[in-house]
Amino acid sequence: NAGVMQNPRHLVRRRGQEARLRCSPMKGHSHVYWYRQLPEEGLKFMVYLQKENIIDESGMPKERFSAEFPKEGPSILRIQQVVRGDSAAYFCASSYIAGEETQYFGPGTRLLVL
Amino acid sequence: LAKTTQPISMDSYEGQEVNITCSHNNIATNDYITWYQQFPSQGPRFIIQGYKTKVTNEVASLFIPADRKSSTLSLPRVSLSDTAVYYCLVGDGDAAGNKLTFGGGTRVLVKP
Repeated sequence: NAGVMQNPRHLVRRRGQEARLRCSPMKGHSHVYWYRQLPEEGLKFMVYLQKENIIDESGMPKERFSAEFPKEGPSILRIQQVVRGDSAAYFCASSYIAGEETQYFGPGTRLLVL
Repeated sequence: LAKTTQPISMDSYEGQEVNITCSHNNIATNDYITWYQQFPSQGPRFIIQGYKTKVTNEVASLFIPADRKSSTLSLPRVSLSDTAVYYCLVGDGDAAGNKLTFGGGTRVLVKP
């Protein structure tokens, strides 16, 4: 049973470009969470999704950021018109049951904005 | 969500026992205490979870006093590979879409 998969592992973008981060949850998991981690800091919650629904996006900036989890395919975190402050590690986690304390994390995508 | 406070860093030597104490004075009745481990360039990994008293698994032990205002993660006989950041989290496991709140964590450095 493969774990949570994220791609790409590293992504370099210039200011103003778009970044697309993909996350495939563990098999059988229908709850996906996105977190952002700045250097030397803990992870910060961004958004929680179930299939085809955004349940909680309270941690996601209202501009330039969007997330989706379609019926088929991976969850996608999209950042439009990236700025240098978007440089961070973005982690996806999944769980089988909503509210399950144990979330399984992917290896993360490290975004660098030049 | 209850706030947690834990030491910023901790050094140890191979073979020693490492104890990390986390304070969570405002823990709610429904809250569980969970610890995650994060290696450099990797996502956090669940270590252990408890509600009260003591929980032990193959990796660690978790001690929770009766008032539940603190908890101690105990790593027995650490090795170099236990060097990581350890996060203490407190939250309601039954809450739908429970979003995990990570503090700064404790950086544990195991020396040879």
